[in-house]
Amino acid sequence: GAVVSQHPSRVICKSGTSVKIECRSLDFQATTMFWYRQFPKQSLMLMATSNEGSKATYEQGVEKDKFLINHASLTLSTLTVTSAHPEDSSFYICSARDLRGGASGNQPQHFGDGTRLSIL
Amino acid sequence: GENVEQHPSTLSVQEGDSAVIKCTYSDSASNYFPWYKQELGKRPQLIIDIRSNVGEKKDQRIAVTLNKTAKHFSLHITETQPEDSAVYFCAALYNFNKFYFGSGTKLNVKP
Repeated sequence: GAVVSQHPSRVICKSGTSVKIECRSLDFQATTMFWYRQFPKQSLMLMATSNEGSKATYEQGVEKDKFLINHASLTLSTLTVTSAHPEDSSFYICSARDLRGGASGNQPQHFGDGTRLSIL
Repeated sequence: GENVEQHPSTLSVQEGDSAVIKCTYSDSASNYFPWYKQELGKRPQLIIDIRSNVGEKKDQRIAVTLNKTAKHFSLHITETQPEDSAVYFCAALYNFNKFYFGSGTKLNVKP
């Protein structure tokens, strides 16, 4: 089945540091990937849609200058949390959809393992 | 965007009983509805999904029903087991590309 790899799984760093998270589709090409944020005991909140070769689309309320997204290839999207502060501490998780069966819209998304970010 | 509401937020059942989780969505154009199971600190795992041209789908102890007119869909787990304990999320596919999630249901199956 489709596999999405996310790295790193855990980051602990000082306030003011920028942190880059990678999301890779391992056995399929993904023109679109998604970045979510999940607070403890809460749902997955869609932050942005990462589009290969073009600008990411951000959800309302998400600062694009704070959360930089780059989707330079069909298998890799990166999320950079710039100048991270304690309030940015969260579980970040990416996903991608395997559209090899056709782009009818009914393909599930496959999630990475997530990145737990802790800003001290 | 799409607005997905999920109830209940917590559900406690005795092993062997059935569990039902309900979701509603706002955009009538949404046409695909997956359910995910997430264990603590892990990725969501797809457990079942349903497309808008189907009213019900079953996979062993798990079933999903969809009422397009009322814009709601439900997850049914029969003969629950302790290993079913987890957080369950419903989702709806919006604009053929974006998934929006419900708030989650923490299911506790008591042995």
